Amino acid sequence: NAGVTQTPKFQVLKTGQSMTLQCAQDMNHEYMSWYRQDPGMGLRLIHYSVGAGITDQGEVPNGYNVSRSTTEDFPLRLLSAAPSQTSVYFCASSPAGQSYEQYFGPGTRLTVT
Amino acid sequence: AQSVAQPEDQVNVAEGNPLTVKCTYSVSGNPYLFWYVQYPNRGLQFLLKYITGDNLVKGSYGFEAEFNKSQTSFHLKKPSALVSDSALYFCAVRDAGGTSGTYKYIFGTGTRLKVLA
Repeated sequence: NAGVTQTPKFQVLKTGQSMTLQCAQDMNHEYMSWYRQDPGMGLRLIHYSVGAGITDQGEVPNGYNVSRSTTEDFPLRLLSAAPSQTSVYFCASSPAGQSYEQYFGPGTRLTVT
Repeated sequence: AQSVAQPEDQVNVAEGNPLTVKCTYSVSGNPYLFWYVQYPNRGLQFLLKYITGDNLVKGSYGFEAEFNKSQTSFHLKKPSALVSDSALYFCAVRDAGGTSGTYKYIFGTGTRLKVLA
């Protein structure tokens, strides 16, 4: 099993550009989520999904879109990048039950200039 | 509202000494509590969790955590620290809610553990 994979590892964008951060998992997990990690802020939930076709907003959803067309993939789209979106982005997955831990991808470091 | 607090930004401990990383929580209903560790330039790795049962939970790499319901705490402990334990540690609680009826994770802000040789 590859676990949770994320691409790209690094990305530099100019303000106003768009891009998609890819996330895939091969563990057949129902639950997937996107976080951003900023110094002193811990991890903040952007969007999450409990299964294909079902998504919900987290704590900081503005400026980001998601969709979940398959169990395996959960891409995060930045429609018009802003410097405030400079961060490290993590994707995670888990089974849907409340007692399960999450498995994290290696992260994408995004810089918006 | 559900929340998790890690009151210390950094904890320094000498190698071989016991370590404690503190976490307190606020939830309605039964708490489902987790500890994760993050090494530099890596994703988070699961260490241990409390779901129910014994208040002392054992996890990976010799870590354990003590659940205290009356103090709403879930402190991470290790009897003898190693330099290789130096990392960023996150406490998390799984929250019930969301429009789709799912359980969101809420993370603390993290505590940097530095073990000195």
